[in-house]
Amino acid sequence: ETGVTQTPRHLVMGMTNKKSLKCEQHLGHNAMYWYKQSAKKPLELMFVYNFKEQTENNSVPSRFSPECPNSSHLFLHLHTLQPEDSALYLCASSQTKTSGQPQHFGDGTRLSIL
Amino acid sequence: DQQVKQNSPSLSVQEGRISILNCDYTNSMFDYFLWYKKYPAEGPTFLISISSIKDKNEDGRFTVFLNKSAKHLSLHIVPSQPGDSAVYFCAASGILRNSGAGSYQLTFGKGTKLSVIP
Repeated sequence: ETGVTQTPRHLVMGMTNKKSLKCEQHLGHNAMYWYKQSAKKPLELMFVYNFKEQTENNSVPSRFSPECPNSSHLFLHLHTLQPEDSALYLCASSQTKTSGQPQHFGDGTRLSIL
Repeated sequence: DQQVKQNSPSLSVQEGRISILNCDYTNSMFDYFLWYKKYPAEGPTFLISISSIKDKNEDGRFTVFLNKSAKHLSLHIVPSQPGDSAVYFCAASGILRNSGAGSYQLTFGKGTKLSVIP
């Protein structure tokens, strides 16, 4: 079973829609992350959660709203997105959020905004 | 401004030969460096890491070398196999700007696509 599972794998939505991305990790990790990967750009960290508490918001617009109900689940709620938000959204987890801890990634959600 | 750079977008290597993937960084405060491998339609998979206090770490066919004075690291794969064909990302770990103590961030390069030719 994949350690980090993301659903859906693909999502097409209009700018006025509201949708949510889901991430679940089965590794017993305590830290979870959302990343964005746009075309020809490196992965960019969006949010960090540690023991369900948000510890970092990397200057992400408020149209992205994360939620972490427990250490195993992470959501990214989307509303009134812009075309430039089309990207691959990756979830990751690590045992802790200390330096050097390898992060384990899901396969991502490919998001397209019409 | 990119703090982690992988200047070669692609690399082709013959099967059985050595693959050398390079990465440069600008922030001397990074204290760990990691390499990830990514196949199409899959998420990145952790491969190997190195602490900034070391200059070499080896794991099977994979060896990472760190040159702190040059702010350069490299991943060597030997012998290269067709299954190694993937995109390789270099990542550096350091404290987030404007964050509390202990909040580390991985900063990624853009990746190098390795093709191992049978």
